[in-house]
Amino acid sequence: NAGVTQTPKFRILKIGQSMTLQCTQDMNHNYMYWYRQDPGMGLKLIYYSVGAGITDKGEVPNGYNVSRSTTEDFPLRLELAAPSQTSVYFCASTPPGQETQYFGPGTRLLVL
Amino acid sequence: GQQVMQIPQYQHVQEGEDFTTYCNSSTTLSNIQWYKQRPGGHPVFLIQLVKSGEVKKQKRLTFQFGEAKKNSSLHITATQTTDVGTYFCAGETSGSRLTFGEGTQLTVNP
Repeated sequence: NAGVTQTPKFRILKIGQSMTLQCTQDMNHNYMYWYRQDPGMGLKLIYYSVGAGITDKGEVPNGYNVSRSTTEDFPLRLELAAPSQTSVYFCASTPPGQETQYFGPGTRLLVL
Repeated sequence: GQQVMQIPQYQHVQEGEDFTTYCNSSTTLSNIQWYKQRPGGHPVFLIQLVKSGEVKKQKRLTFQFGEAKKNSSLHITATQTTDVGTYFCAGETSGSRLTFGEGTQLTVNP
């Protein structure tokens, strides 16, 4: 298993541009999450999904959208990028019946 | 909403010294998890505590969950340079959503 994979690793965006951060897991995990981590800070939950076709807002959802059309993929969409969205974005997943979260390597996003 | 506070924010120790980080929740938790994040890396699961008063050990690491299930601690005995990183606690109240503390960044001087 490749685990949780994220692409791209790093991206620079201009203000107002949009992009999609990709997250894929091949472990048949039902729960998936998106977090952002600002420098020197903890992780803030953006969106999460309990299974294909079901998504819900986390703590900081404004400016983001998600979809979950398959069990494996959970892309995060940024519309109209703003400097406040400069952060490291982590995707995570959880196996059925467990609470442990397995994190991907992260995407570093810089909005200028 | 639920808040998870973690102290200290930073800790610098000499190799061989002990280290402790504390975690406090504003609400009662169903369980608490601890993660370690190496510099430039991603969080990696260390352990989960579920029962009131639970104590678990992993080699030099000792984890405790408070009797009221609102606080927890991680203690490292005789730190090594490989212990460098940020340690996060994460509390779960329900629904498989975790609230992370701000983390304690540990540096170890050789």
